[in-house]
Amino acid sequence: DAGVIQSPRHEVTEMGQEVTLRCKPISGHNSLFWYRQTMMRGLELLIYFNNNVPIDDSGMPEDRFSAKMPNASFSTLKIQPSEPRDSAVYFCASRWGQTNSPLHFGNGTRLTVT
Amino acid sequence: DQQVKQNSPSLSVQEGRISILNCDYTNSMFDYFLWYKKYPAEGPTFLISISSIKDKNEDGRFTVFLNKSAKHLSLHIVPSQPGDSAVYFCAASVGSGGSNYKLTFGKGTLLTVNP
Repeated sequence: DAGVIQSPRHEVTEMGQEVTLRCKPISGHNSLFWYRQTMMRGLELLIYFNNNVPIDDSGMPEDRFSAKMPNASFSTLKIQPSEPRDSAVYFCASRWGQTNSPLHFGNGTRLTVT
Repeated sequence: DQQVKQNSPSLSVQEGRISILNCDYTNSMFDYFLWYKKYPAEGPTFLISISSIKDKNEDGRFTVFLNKSAKHLSLHIVPSQPGDSAVYFCAASVGSGGSNYKLTFGKGTLLTVNP
């Protein structure tokens, strides 16, 4: 079991640039989550997919953020244009089923926007 | 408005002693609670959970206690080991089945276990 794989591990970019974060969930998991961690707000849910369909994107901060899940083994989170306040650690997590099975997190992408 | 609060940003204990991490919540609808552990440069990993129909759940050295009337839960680690040094997050959710996907996390407590 390779776990949830995120890339890149670190991303440094200039304000206004497009940023794409990638996630490969654990094989067989049908739910995928994108979280953001900041000092001020802690871990926040951005978007939740079930069977590749976005179910809840109410946590996406604004239209600059978008997420896709074209198939069961890949998801992207895109920020365009990026701003310094987007600097955070972004985690992808997956799990099987819809009940209380625990989330499996990737190691995160640390994004710095200068 | 923080619905899940971990009021101690950090805790330091001696190896072999008990570690007690606390968590308070304000949303009375929460009925499932979890603890996650996070090492630096890694993602959180699931540690232990408890349903609101119970007041205690034990897994090896880790025990979670739930006091619904006080809206309080705690994680006990006995005995504490240096490898337990990590950030511990408390999380809560509402409902069961497909509606309970939304975990609300506390901001975490950094536990340091000194040899």
